[in-house]
Amino acid sequence: ETGVTQTPRHLVMGMTNKKSLKCEQHLGHNAMYWYKQSAKKPLELMFVYNFKEQTENNSVPSRFSPECPNSSHLFLHLHTLQPEDSALYLCASSQPGLAGQETQYFGPGTRLLVL
Amino acid sequence: GQNIDQPTEMTATEGAIVQINCTYQTSGFNGLFWYQQHAGEAPTFLSYNVLDGLEEKGRFSSFLSRSKGYSYLLLKELQMKDSASYLCAVRPGAGNMLTFGGGTRLMVKP
Repeated sequence: ETGVTQTPRHLVMGMTNKKSLKCEQHLGHNAMYWYKQSAKKPLELMFVYNFKEQTENNSVPSRFSPECPNSSHLFLHLHTLQPEDSALYLCASSQPGLAGQETQYFGPGTRLLVL
Repeated sequence: GQNIDQPTEMTATEGAIVQINCTYQTSGFNGLFWYQQHAGEAPTFLSYNVLDGLEEKGRFSSFLSRSKGYSYLLLKELQMKDSASYLCAVRPGAGNMLTFGGGTRLMVKP
């Protein structure tokens, strides 16, 4: 238990569906991240939020839309996805501004399958 | 660009020692992290290196050489539960972004 929770843990959706992934962190952190983990590929950073402001969009297609209403919650809204978007989506949080080490803590992920 | 290389798979015997290497070529360097990820679970933090040398934490140690762009994770007294993927990640700049390697899947056999 890392203090970062994600729901749902598993999701199957069609290409025309709209769904949302939710992440919540109970660590008092002010930075949150979305990553995509595909089979046999490195973890890919998608979005970064610092103090509720999006500070990084790593060339992610617009069919992925993040939302960060407060420092504890992060959403990833999905619409008109493609089968190649099937992957494990991981959320992480960290506390920015610490001198030296700033460790990211990960949630268990949402396993997404797009049919 | 950023490039981080790790072996894809390794196999070791219970009770033995294994060394997982990571080499990196990044636009900058502001720290290197090792994470452990069991199948279907979240990556969990193992170690952090920013200065050259060895950091020891129980059965796990991590080494860094910045001049060589090289790190390794050393696991001693291997246990079956150490079977997992080990992810090397570099923070290239002053911000909080990490670049990950592809991970090394370690299988520990009896």
